[in-house]
Amino acid sequence: GAVVSQHPSWVICKSGTSVKIECRSLDFQATTMFWYRQFPKQSLMLMATSNEGSKATYEQGVEKDKFLINHASLTLSTLTVTSAHPEDSSFYICSAFLAGGILETQYFGPGTRLLVL
Amino acid sequence: RKEVEQDPGPFNVPEGATVAFNCTYSNSASQSFFWYRQDCRKEPKLLMSVYSSGNEDGRFTAQLNRASQYISLLIRDSKLSDSATYLCVVLFNDYKLSFGAGTTVTVRA
Repeated sequence: GAVVSQHPSWVICKSGTSVKIECRSLDFQATTMFWYRQFPKQSLMLMATSNEGSKATYEQGVEKDKFLINHASLTLSTLTVTSAHPEDSSFYICSAFLAGGILETQYFGPGTRLLVL
Repeated sequence: RKEVEQDPGPFNVPEGATVAFNCTYSNSASQSFFWYRQDCRKEPKLLMSVYSSGNEDGRFTAQLNRASQYISLLIRDSKLSDSATYLCVVLFNDYKLSFGAGTTVTVRA
């Protein structure tokens, strides 16, 4: 199946720090990537859609100035949590959309656990 | 109303048992349907797509009923390794996925 990587897998930082998370599609090109957040015992919540070469589309209630998304190439999208606070502590997961064929769906990275102290 | 609703379970079954559960979706324009599996503290992984004619993948059988807008998953001959949360997922035209909250299955020895 399609492989998506995320880096880093764990981040522990002080309040006020900005944290950058990378999402890469390793064996396919993805014009569209997605960023999700998952709190304990809850389902994934879509934060934004990342489009290569254009601005990201944010879901309602997600602050675009706080969660900066850059999709500079067909294999890389980055999410920067600016001035992180304890309430931003969560499991952040990216996915890349693999278009075409019977396996057309999203494939997920392994996630990044963020703990803001 | 949530776009995708699932019975959260948990379903606690012995090894070798059959377990089945459903999910319902509200948007009749939904494009494609999937079951994903999520293990504790891990990312979701695609288990199988769901087709209108019904499809099997080993011990797993998925069914889609577009008229009633529900999707089902059946696991035969349950293994301990089947213990996980199963996510019902719907894909829309804009490539976005809508997730159910997940059904927890625990297979005991």
